[in-house]
Amino acid sequence: AQTVTQSQPEMSVQEAETVTLSCTYDTSESDYYLFWYKQPPSRQMILVIRQEAYKQQNATENRFSVNFQKAAKSFSLKISDSQLGDAAMYFCAYRATSGTYKYIFGTGTRLKVLA
Amino acid sequence: GAVVSQHPSRVICKSGTSVKIECRSLDFQATTMFWYRQFPKQSLMLMATSNEGSKATYEQGVEKDKFLINHASLTLSTLTVTSAHPEDSSFYICSARGDRASSPLHFGNGTRLTVT
Repeated sequence: AQTVTQSQPEMSVQEAETVTLSCTYDTSESDYYLFWYKQPPSRQMILVIRQEAYKQQNATENRFSVNFQKAAKSFSLKISDSQLGDAAMYFCAYRATSGTYKYIFGTGTRLKVLA
Repeated sequence: GAVVSQHPSRVICKSGTSVKIECRSLDFQATTMFWYRQFPKQSLMLMATSNEGSKATYEQGVEKDKFLINHASLTLSTLTVTSAHPEDSSFYICSARGDRASSPLHFGNGTRLTVT
């Protein structure tokens, strides 16, 4: 069975600085999707970034980028120029490319942004 | 962008009663809907996967007779918590996706259920 692990329950970053959130996963599949979701206090789940496993190039979305290491099964999220609005819970998620397409979420990392 | 509407956002009910939560996809056909439960400061726990017109597939440990899921159309899925007890108090989130492998997952805003 697939698993997703986030080893950092909480992280802090100074405003305008850079922070990296860690995520590892386990799967026997060769093709899959990986995601980072943000959940602010409103509890609305917001997609931050997505990576397809067959693509070697790391995905980027403005200030957000990932470091995808397929062999190591690692998928970290880098947030550059951190803003106060980035404060939230961040969840890493895995999804297969076939079957029910269900998402497996990690336990989350709470990010605090210090002014 | 695609929107998933979840209703109600908050509900308080008495122990022993049933509560229905609706999840609607507003501008796309949701072939598959997922229901999650989230305890405070914890991750999303998948409860069940529902496909339009067929029975839901429940995750291990989730009581299908307590959490009734109906996915009667391509735009509506409902979760009914039957004979609710205080331990069912939680945050429930639905999500929906289209039928393509690349279809993204869209989340509802969640429902906070409090059973007194």
